[in-house]
Amino acid sequence: DIVLTQSPDSLTVSLGERATINCKSSQSVLYTSNNKNYLAWYQQKPGQPPKVLISWASTRESGVPDRFSGSGSGTDFTLTISSLQAEDVAVYYCQQHYSTPITFGQGTRLEIK
Amino acid sequence: EVQLVESGGGLVQPGGSLTLSCAASGFTFSSHWMNWVRQVPGKGLVWVSRINADGTTTDYADSVKGRFTISRDNAKNTVYLQMNSLRAEDTALYYCARPKSPTHYFDLWGRGTLVTVSS
Repeated sequence: DIVLTQSPDSLTVSLGERATINCKSSQSVLYTSNNKNYLAWYQQKPGQPPKVLISWASTRESGVPDRFSGSGSGTDFTLTISSLQAEDVAVYYCQQHYSTPITFGQGTRLEIK
Repeated sequence: EVQLVESGGGLVQPGGSLTLSCAASGFTFSSHWMNWVRQVPGKGLVWVSRINADGTTTDYADSVKGRFTISRDNAKNTVYLQMNSLRAEDTALYYCARPKSPTHYFDLWGRGTLVTVSS
């Protein structure tokens, strides 16, 4: 199974500042035949289901604010929120869909300082 | 409206059985794989199972293999999760999730149904 390890487990950032969350995979999730990284990022707010923010490691989903961006390839990935807003308080998860079983990172809790 | 609505959760004793349902609407259900993902309140997301569009292919997490069965009825736009030999560690909020075809990341989630396994 592919293990995804997120860091940090929790993060406190001031409004307007940058937040960075990392996701490290135990093996590459880059499918070389199409050069795509099979990694997505989700945001989960209290009492709500997850919402996909980023697909293919760096493609922002429709309607997602452009302050959210994803980067990385192979085994190391990053979700960046360029200027933290109050509504960004949530738990963030990475997920790989390169192989079965589908796996998620353990989550990173983002709070406002 | 495009949505998934789960039902069937509840309190069940260890060793018991429960069947969850997920009713889909607003999209062509029969064209999509469907998944179940669970979450212990306050904890992380764990993928449980998936089924392909015509119901001929299924996959399971090792933790539920042999105890849970996923199925679907495309005429009723519904996917099911039959859970047998339930254990305390199966206690969780169970989400139904649709992957964005033809991928396996999830672009549509239900609000979940809570399963509590306790005596």
